[in-house]
Amino acid sequence: AQSVTQPDIHITVSEGASLELRCNYSYGATPYLFWYVQSPGQGLQLLLKYFSGDTLVQGIKGFEAEFKRSQSSFNLRKPSVHWSDAAEYFCAVDPSNTGKLIFGQGTTLQVKP
Amino acid sequence: DAGVIQSPRHEVTEMGQEVTLRCKPISGHDYLFWYRQTMMRGLELLIYFNNNVPIDDSGMPEDRFSAKMPNASFSTLKIQPSEPRDSAVYFCASNLGSDTQYFGPGTRLTVL
Repeated sequence: AQSVTQPDIHITVSEGASLELRCNYSYGATPYLFWYVQSPGQGLQLLLKYFSGDTLVQGIKGFEAEFKRSQSSFNLRKPSVHWSDAAEYFCAVDPSNTGKLIFGQGTTLQVKP
Repeated sequence: DAGVIQSPRHEVTEMGQEVTLRCKPISGHDYLFWYRQTMMRGLELLIYFNNNVPIDDSGMPEDRFSAKMPNASFSTLKIQPSEPRDSAVYFCASNLGSDTQYFGPGTRLTVL
């Protein structure tokens, strides 16, 4: 079945440590790929997106993501996490490039001082 | 631009009552989406419009839910009658073509 999987429901990292959030998708062709962040009580904000071209994508707030076709993955990374990065992170795909997004279940990031 | 605007931000109602959620998309955007977020089911797409026309309503849970977009700057999501299991956060989002989708702040609905 077509799906978006974020294997980690909850991740805790220390402030200043590096971060990687995993995302895998199961669609035949390469869909459009997105990472969104949601702070408590807020809507979703786009961090970055991949449509085509360079497989390493830079986003806002120091985040980047790498598309790996062979692994059907689009993992989100940040070299040094700040306390303000504590939030819920959603990977999403647009399998038919129509704007209809399918979201993963989300990963909650907790940052320890 | 003010971004996607949703009202009300919070709604508390009793089972059986009609609930209407409102959304104003970003000016010039031609797609509008309604999502529902719950702990159990995560983020689900309910329905989306293109140029005010409903394109895909396969995510609408049942006939109690209906959505309209009478013009390019306004959409409503109505639940009649409401039930406690409809309690969730409802998001509206809009985009232009296949460009970035922008989300509103959401409406937190509680049905008692």
